[in-house]
Amino acid sequence: DSGVTQTPKHLITATGQRVTLRCSPRSGDLSVYWYQQSLDQGLQFLIQYYNGEERAKGNILERFSAQQFPDLHSELNLSSLELGDSALYFCASSVGGGVRETQYFGPGTRLLVL
Amino acid sequence: GQSLEQPSEVTAVEGAIVQINCTYQTSGFYGLSWYQQHDGGAPTFLSYNGLDGLEETGRFSSFLSRSDSYGYLLLQELQMKDSASYFCAVGSGNTGKLIFGQGTTLQVKP
Repeated sequence: DSGVTQTPKHLITATGQRVTLRCSPRSGDLSVYWYQQSLDQGLQFLIQYYNGEERAKGNILERFSAQQFPDLHSELNLSSLELGDSALYFCASSVGGGVRETQYFGPGTRLLVL
Repeated sequence: GQSLEQPSEVTAVEGAIVQINCTYQTSGFYGLSWYQQHDGGAPTFLSYNGLDGLEETGRFSSFLSRSDSYGYLLLQELQMKDSASYFCAVGSGNTGKLIFGQGTTLQVKP
């Protein structure tokens, strides 16, 4: 158990819908990351927040947005869902926001878009 | 941009040693990390190399040669529980952004 929690564990929804994934980082960690893992794309970095501010961005779709709240938990919002958005979404956290930081991954949210 | 190459599959027997290679192309280098992921589970950090040379952590070692844009993960005294996917990842800028390789599936046989 990494100490990172993600809810929900599973999510089934329909195309065109909007969902929110939630992540609580390890106690004391200031940085939160979101990754998407699909069979054909591997682990793709989406976005990083550090102490409430966006720190780095990957190839995150415009339909996706995220934020980190004052209590440091983070939410990833996925809208206008498409079949191709079906994937495992991981949140990770680290103490600092730099490249040497060990990232601790949560158990993931498995999203299925029908 | 960045790209990483690693073998898709490796098979070895229990007790053996296996090496998983990773070559990378990056615009700027910010370290090479290795993560382990069991089927359907969360990736787990194994090691980080920021400078050339060998880093050892128990049965696992990781090596980096920045001049060759190459690194490897060495797993010794393989156990059945080492069957998993192994990902190399490079840092992108001095942030926490990681670019992952496609992963190497290691199968350990009795």
